[in-house]
Amino acid sequence: SAVISQKPSRDICQRGTSLTIQCQVDSQVTMMFWYRQQPGQSLTLIATANQGSEATYESGFVIDKFPISRPNLTFSTLTVSNMSPEDSSIYLCSVEVRDRTDTQYFGPGTRLTVL
Amino acid sequence: GESVGLHLPTLSVQEGDNSIINCAYSNSASDYFIWYKQESGKGPQFIIDIRSNMDKRQGQRVTVLLNKTVKHLSLQIAATQPGDSAVYFCAENSGGYQKVTFGTGTKLQVIP
Repeated sequence: SAVISQKPSRDICQRGTSLTIQCQVDSQVTMMFWYRQQPGQSLTLIATANQGSEATYESGFVIDKFPISRPNLTFSTLTVSNMSPEDSSIYLCSVEVRDRTDTQYFGPGTRLTVL
Repeated sequence: GESVGLHLPTLSVQEGDNSIINCAYSNSASDYFIWYKQESGKGPQFIIDIRSNMDKRQGQRVTVLLNKTVKHLSLQIAATQPGDSAVYFCAENSGGYQKVTFGTGTKLQVIP
């Protein structure tokens, strides 16, 4: 498995501003993922972030709104730009660990409220 | 704080009983399935997985059953405990890499 931390754990922001969320993992991983979880909902994949290449975005998500950085194999950031109340969600990063389970492990999430 | 289980279907189970949580998946090409547990205020936690070449897999107090014919997945929890109270998500791998698609989730409430 992997130990994943996120900063901030929660924030309250004004509409029109931007917030950058950090994700740190305790081991080198190839693939990192960013998800959004709206209140009472399941998780929706925003994008996949590989080190050394542009992030791959899912349908409905664009780079201008959710720019992602992946400067090395243990760190990634997701920025939520020009926020509106509809962006209020939990944002989670996850990593793929090639162990026996070959699956994804998740960080604790960042709870964002936009006023 | 907000609850991830606010609008999710709820299963209430007496402590000590067995729980069965069901999930219908959508992609017949999916070949890997995972169950996650999400407690309030935390990220999803891996519970158990199963590949499409199997129809049953057991872990500690948990069993996952896969029926590919009807695209159905279930999670059985034996002797349910208060600590099992959480939202449970099934997920399927439907991409060339580990792109995981999550189901809608079920909130499990354990009655002491």
